[in-house]
Amino acid sequence: GAGVSQSPSNKVTEKGKDVELRCDPISGHTALYWYRQSLGQGLEFLIYFQGNSAPDKSGLPSDRFSAERTGGSVSTLTIQRTQQEDSAVYLCASRRTGGSQPQHFGDGTRLSIL
Amino acid sequence: QQQVKQSPQSLIVQKGGISIINCAYENTAFDYFPWYQQFPGKGPALLIAIRPDVSEKKEGRFTISFNKSAKQFSLHIMDSQPGDSATYFCAASISGTYKYIFGTGTRLKVLA
Repeated sequence: GAGVSQSPSNKVTEKGKDVELRCDPISGHTALYWYRQSLGQGLEFLIYFQGNSAPDKSGLPSDRFSAERTGGSVSTLTIQRTQQEDSAVYLCASRRTGGSQPQHFGDGTRLSIL
Repeated sequence: QQQVKQSPQSLIVQKGGISIINCAYENTAFDYFPWYQQFPGKGPALLIAIRPDVSEKKEGRFTISFNKSAKQFSLHIMDSQPGDSATYFCAASISGTYKYIFGTGTRLKVLA
């Protein structure tokens, strides 16, 4: 079946611009996560959605970062007034809830801020 | 308490050798331990997972060994191949909760 889909795969933008990153989770997966991965580094948790609500936003680095999820499906991560330190790969993952369910990751959006 | 410590940070192994990556945790409530494999330009992909009611799980050349008393688990890659060169992440979670704690990753290079 289809996996987690993220778009765009690459995004280059100028400092100060706003960017919007999209995640299409696996159908039926109610849990959705965003992570940030800097070059050669680990996975930095950003935000968790259960359905359309986000009970854990603790990883968002600043108020320039926001995310929403609509219809319990597609999610968008928005970064306003981008800074060079925002350059990273942004990964989305989804999973079924209940029991021991693995996260399934998309291939990420590689964001470069000039 | 919520950390998962992964070692080594990087590993170089000859083709045909055994690659071993270790993870340690503190929170005894963790009861699900997956390993992920990540190739450059791709997202992490689930490789193999274990629950603490078993001490070992094997899938092909990949084996997880679990030591509940020591609060450690490890990934063994037998007969390592150049195609296994990737970054490996261990993780821990508590069933029924949403939180995953990831290790910091191990960059494996298998020499041909």
